[in-house]
Amino acid sequence: GAGVSQSPRYKVTKRGQDVALRCDPISGHVSLYWYRQALGQGPEFLTYFNYEAQQDKSGLPNDRFSAERPEGSISTLTIQRTEQRDSAMYRCASSLDMGYEQYFGPGTRLTVT
Amino acid sequence: SQQGEEDPQALSIQEGENATMNCSYKTSINNLQWYRQNSGRGLVHLILIRSNEREKHSGRLRVTLDTSKKSSSLLITASRAADTASYFCATDVGSMYSGGGADGLTFGKGTHLIIQP
Repeated sequence: GAGVSQSPRYKVTKRGQDVALRCDPISGHVSLYWYRQALGQGPEFLTYFNYEAQQDKSGLPNDRFSAERPEGSISTLTIQRTEQRDSAMYRCASSLDMGYEQYFGPGTRLTVT
Repeated sequence: SQQGEEDPQALSIQEGENATMNCSYKTSINNLQWYRQNSGRGLVHLILIRSNEREKHSGRLRVTLDTSKKSSSLLITASRAADTASYFCATDVGSMYSGGGADGLTFGKGTHLIIQP
């Protein structure tokens, strides 16, 4: 079946612009997670949802970062007023429910110039 | 903060040999998951082992978990060139232990495995 998909795969934006990254989880998966991965490092947890409810956003770096999942399926991670330090690979994962295997999408490579 | 630490950071072996990677963590966990990543590409899920399990197998992969030592190991038997990748362990603390907090995974920095043909 179809895995987790993310769009766009690559995004180049100028500093100060807002960006929206999209994640489409595996059909039927209740839980959806956002991570950020720097080169040579493991992914770093940002936030997650169960259905449409955002359960934990303790990993979001600051208030420029927000996420939503209004209908409990597709999720959007928004970064406002982007800065160069926001450049990274942003990865989305979904799981059947909390505590199950998390399956990752291909990621969105964000470059802020 | 970093929960999992893989060891070694890098490992180079001959094709056909077995590869063992270790992971240590700091707090109690709900489960521990191992992932593979080729050249910075996608993360592929390998195995999930729960805190009440001690060993799991999947094909050429064998994972052990010792909760008393807060450590896990991943063994790849009869390695192949295609196994060349970075391997990450990731811990799920779970809301049971985090007081309703994060259920996101906490990853280590990974072990870079190179299989020499």
